[in-house]
Amino acid sequence: NFMLTQPHSVSESPGKTVTISCTGSSGSIASNYVQWYQQRPGSAPTTVIYEDNQRPSGVPDRFSGSIDSSSNSASLTISGLKTEDEADYYCQSYDSSNSNWVFGGGTKLTVL
Amino acid sequence: EVQLVESGGGLVQPGGSLRLSCAASGFTFSSYSMNWVRQAPGKGLEWVSYISSSSSTIYYADSVKGRFTISRDNAKNSLYLQMNSLRDEDTAVYYCARAGNSVVALYYWGQGTLVTVSS
Repeated sequence: NFMLTQPHSVSESPGKTVTISCTGSSGSIASNYVQWYQQRPGSAPTTVIYEDNQRPSGVPDRFSGSIDSSSNSASLTISGLKTEDEADYYCQSYDSSNSNWVFGGGTKLTVL
Repeated sequence: EVQLVESGGGLVQPGGSLRLSCAASGFTFSSYSMNWVRQAPGKGLEWVSYISSSSSTIYYADSVKGRFTISRDNAKNSLYLQMNSLRDEDTAVYYCARAGNSVVALYYWGQGTLVTVSS
């Protein structure tokens, strides 16, 4: 079955840029769209990137998504980090082999 | 404004049953597929089930197959999850989520309802 692997945690200083990776276990990560969700403590997830690189209205352009087929991975990049960006981030895609939606394990972003 | 409001969570004994509801508003409910996603305490997100806009296509995670049933009532703008034979490991916050233009994306999320399975 298809799995997505994320780093457990990343940290960076305010104003800097951070990239969170999401690596597919098999097949091509480009076969299905990748989404990224932000979850602040005690809150529900919200979408920050959908369909690989699209931003919902209201999400600042400091957030961007990309796909790298050569490494079979997706990335979420947040530039100009703010303390309010501190949250858990989850990547998500779809496993066509068993019709399952798949989440990465989540990455805790600390902005300090 | 899109709103998804879950209800029906609570404390239930192992082996018991519970029915979750998700009331949708702010969009044409009958046009979008829906999902249930859960999150155990301190853990990550786990997809549970999918239902297409017309209920013609339904999928389940292996962990709940045969025990949970997803359904919807487009006339009532509501999504449901019937949970039977509940286990300790089903303890989680359950979120309903609406798909985007791509059914793969979980574009909008509700606030969740907590299900606790314990004796």
